[in-house]
Amino acid sequence: GAVVSQHPSWVICKSGTSVKIECRSLDFQATTMFWYRQFPKQSLMLMATSNEGSKATYEQGVEKDKFLINHASLTLSTLTVTSAHPEDSSFYICSAWIGYNNQPQHFGDGTRLSIL
Amino acid sequence: SQQGEEDPQALSIQEGENATMNCSYKTSINNLQWYRQNSGRGLVHLILIRSNEREKHSGRLRVTLDTSKKSSSLLITASRAADTASYFCATSPKAAGNKLTFGGGTRVLVKP
Repeated sequence: GAVVSQHPSWVICKSGTSVKIECRSLDFQATTMFWYRQFPKQSLMLMATSNEGSKATYEQGVEKDKFLINHASLTLSTLTVTSAHPEDSSFYICSAWIGYNNQPQHFGDGTRLSIL
Repeated sequence: SQQGEEDPQALSIQEGENATMNCSYKTSINNLQWYRQNSGRGLVHLILIRSNEREKHSGRLRVTLDTSKKSSSLLITASRAADTASYFCATSPKAAGNKLTFGGGTRVLVKP
């Protein structure tokens, strides 16, 4: 149980393109979804917290107009990297949380984004 | 800034040996979680230990938590080549709602 699907797993696109990444909880309803960014050989850095039906909460230093988050249902959140540039190249990982205290987050397999 | 700091940063052991890694954190927590990440993949949840627990086991994994020292350890016994991965501790700080703050991770290499 507790499967989170993230698509696409790998994207290469030209500078200036917008890229949408989907995160789905397949077998449970996620009260909250989280978006992380990870640079090579580094830890995960939280970008934003997304609750179904409300605006995402962004961490300090994360541009909300650059990284658009939509959480339309209890099983789907999307991250859109708008007008992507090479410095946006990274590994993006989502997680989903069922909403009960002392329950873990469940992670997708990540999306490798490469902007040329 | 990262809440957790892990040591060692990297660990290389022979198959069959035990691997121990440590995590320290700074603020009061609801729980502490350990995750594994294989190269280029997402994170897999291993164990969650609550702030009122001191030790927890799952298969070959043993986690301890010392809230007075704000530290935790993860022990992998009888390691296998398939245990090769990065291991991260993550804390759920009391003041941060349900967010997790990750440590820097320990890269474990188990040589066959």
